[in-house]
Amino acid sequence: DIQMTQSPASLSASLGETVTIECRASEDIYNGLAWYQQKPGKSPQLLIYNANSLHTGVPSRFSGSGSGTQYSLKINSLQSEDVASYFCQQYYDYPWTFGGGTKLELK
Amino acid sequence: QVQLKESGPGLVQPSQTLSLTCTVSGFSLTSYNVHWVRQPTGKGLEWMGVIWTGGSTDYNSALKSRLSISRDTSKSQVFLKMNSLQTEDIATYYCAREDGGSAYYFDYWGQGVMVTVSS
Repeated sequence: DIQMTQSPASLSASLGETVTIECRASEDIYNGLAWYQQKPGKSPQLLIYNANSLHTGVPSRFSGSGSGTQYSLKINSLQSEDVASYFCQQYYDYPWTFGGGTKLELK
Repeated sequence: QVQLKESGPGLVQPSQTLSLTCTVSGFSLTSYNVHWVRQPTGKGLEWMGVIWTGGSTDYNSALKSRLSISRDTSKSQVFLKMNSLQTEDIATYYCAREDGGSAYYFDYWGQGVMVTVSS
């Protein structure tokens, strides 16, 4: 199985700050990567797919980048509603696997 | 609009079978694949299995011996059955729709159902 390692596990940032979350795959996943946001007590919501494509309705302050085994999610101008956990998921190879998550809090 | 909703007992006794239903609306099970994903409280997500539009299934090898996914297209329902439940199966269980196309990410999720294993 492809292992997905996310970092950091937790992150504290100020409003208006730019935040970057990393996801490393144990092998090349050829941009088969999605990012999800999960607010407390809620189900995950798709943010990014194909490593860098913004899902419909997602604010443009979210962006994804990367290739090969290294991927990142960037949040520009952090807003209070961005407080959540973020997960990456590889779907290049079966079984589909997720990163351990990054919990984003406000400083 | 697209909706998925999980239902089922929140409490299962050890060694018993978990049965969950995912009722979908706004799309057809013959046009979109539906997956099950679970999440232990405060932890990460684990993909469990999928029922494809044609009705065939695939499972996470870690759960394959205990897991069964089926559907009733006339009722727009997908079923999950997992036997021999133990405390490590305590989690919130989600059904999720796979985005239409050939990429296996999930564009809609149900609200989840929390399952506890206890006598």
